[in-house]
Amino acid sequence: EVQLLESGGGLVQPGGSLRLSCAASGFTFSSYPMTWVRQAPGRGLEWVSSISNSGGAATYYADSVRGRFTISRDNSKNTLYLQMNSLTDDDTAVYHCAKGLLSVFHYGVDVWGQGTTVTVSS
Amino acid sequence: DIQMTQSPSSVSASVGDRVTINCRASQGISSWLAWYQQKPGKAPKLLIYAASNLQNGVPSRFSGSGSGTDFTLTISSLQPEDFATYYCQQADSFPYTFGQGTKLEIK
Repeated sequence: EVQLLESGGGLVQPGGSLRLSCAASGFTFSSYPMTWVRQAPGRGLEWVSSISNSGGAATYYADSVRGRFTISRDNSKNTLYLQMNSLTDDDTAVYHCAKGLLSVFHYGVDVWGQGTTVTVSS
Repeated sequence: DIQMTQSPSSVSASVGDRVTINCRASQGISSWLAWYQQKPGKAPKLLIYAASNLQNGVPSRFSGSGSGTDFTLTISSLQPEDFATYYCQQADSFPYTFGQGTKLEIK
């Protein structure tokens, strides 16, 4: 069964940092681009960041997180990461990792984790 | 950045109705559009990719159409399990962006 399991969320003070992890199983992780999507309480979906397959040479970020968040992957561990620095209240959300439908971008994401909750508050 | 605008923001319908949800891109995105369904407390589910391709396992009552800037998701005959929020997402150029969502409610 194809599965994604996020971890690393929690309560953090403004200005703080967190690193989210997403453990993948049931598919050849290195073959697919991966994405982080977040959803603030009561709000819609917001695309956060994507990373290309294989070595992850290509990374992309939403304007709202560029320069503060870093996406990376460790194919030997089948794990996706999101390093989040300089957190603000606006980063409070459930963060989902998601697998690309195909080995290239453009086709959306077909498998989602259940999400990990990040709360930024003093 | 490409802006995605869905209409309507909410719609009330009955079981058996045909429902159409629209999505407009602020610039042309070819056919690089996906549709997702989300139920409360759950992760989204991919319904349609590349504007008109039905994802494996998705019932055939769902269909997508359009290209360029205007796209449509159609549910031909609503079932009780279809009441949810629907999102479009452009996958043409980064940053990928979602529409604001359309909440489909029971009339």
